[in-house]
Amino acid sequence: AAGVIQSPRHLIKEKRETATLKCYPIPRHDTVYWYQQGPGQDPQFLISFYEKMQSDKGSIPDRFSAQQFSDYHSELNMSSLELGDSALYFCASSMGNEQFFGPGTRLTVL
Amino acid sequence: DAKTTQPNSMESNEEEPVHLPCNHSTISGTDYIHWYRQLPSQGPEYVIHGLTSNVNNRMASLAIAEDRKSSTLILHRATLRDAAVYYCILRSRGFGNEKLTFGTGTRLTIIP
Repeated sequence: AAGVIQSPRHLIKEKRETATLKCYPIPRHDTVYWYQQGPGQDPQFLISFYEKMQSDKGSIPDRFSAQQFSDYHSELNMSSLELGDSALYFCASSMGNEQFFGPGTRLTVL
Repeated sequence: DAKTTQPNSMESNEEEPVHLPCNHSTISGTDYIHWYRQLPSQGPEYVIHGLTSNVNNRMASLAIAEDRKSSTLILHRATLRDAAVYYCILRSRGFGNEKLTFGTGTRLTIIP
């Protein structure tokens, strides 16, 4: 069965650079979520989209933005990167009660 | 969001049942009880969810107290592949597009 696809799987950036993370949800799933998991921490909700409209927002820095496109894929844009942005970024999709998570993108900011 | 409390860690022997407790004394009538787990270096994975009645699926069983202030995730026969962090999460009843609020979770270690 198709799963959530995230790209890239690993990303290394310098401080103050910009990063774009991509998420391809499971076909026919109408909701996409983004979560951030710092080293040794639990996942924290960032933002979600339902039918291409932002549906909820968590503790997402103003330096981050996200959108969902007409083909339902989503992108998380991160600017002015800081060392503290180093984390695993998970995308999840759902069309009901169960969220399906992707493998994550590991972002390292040097 | 209503809060859940879980033990930080638990150990179990392989091929034995595991009971993972969760307290949620401030649960509201519209909150569903969800369980997810996260295996090392992987994204979280849905395990089971329920509202009032006990639930069973191919992965686990969920026993919900009559007053709904606590629940227990039951793995009937633990294997080494069940070693993970298990999260008990409350989600409001809605249109299915609610975020997950992860707490600390229980780190389950399986002893061969």
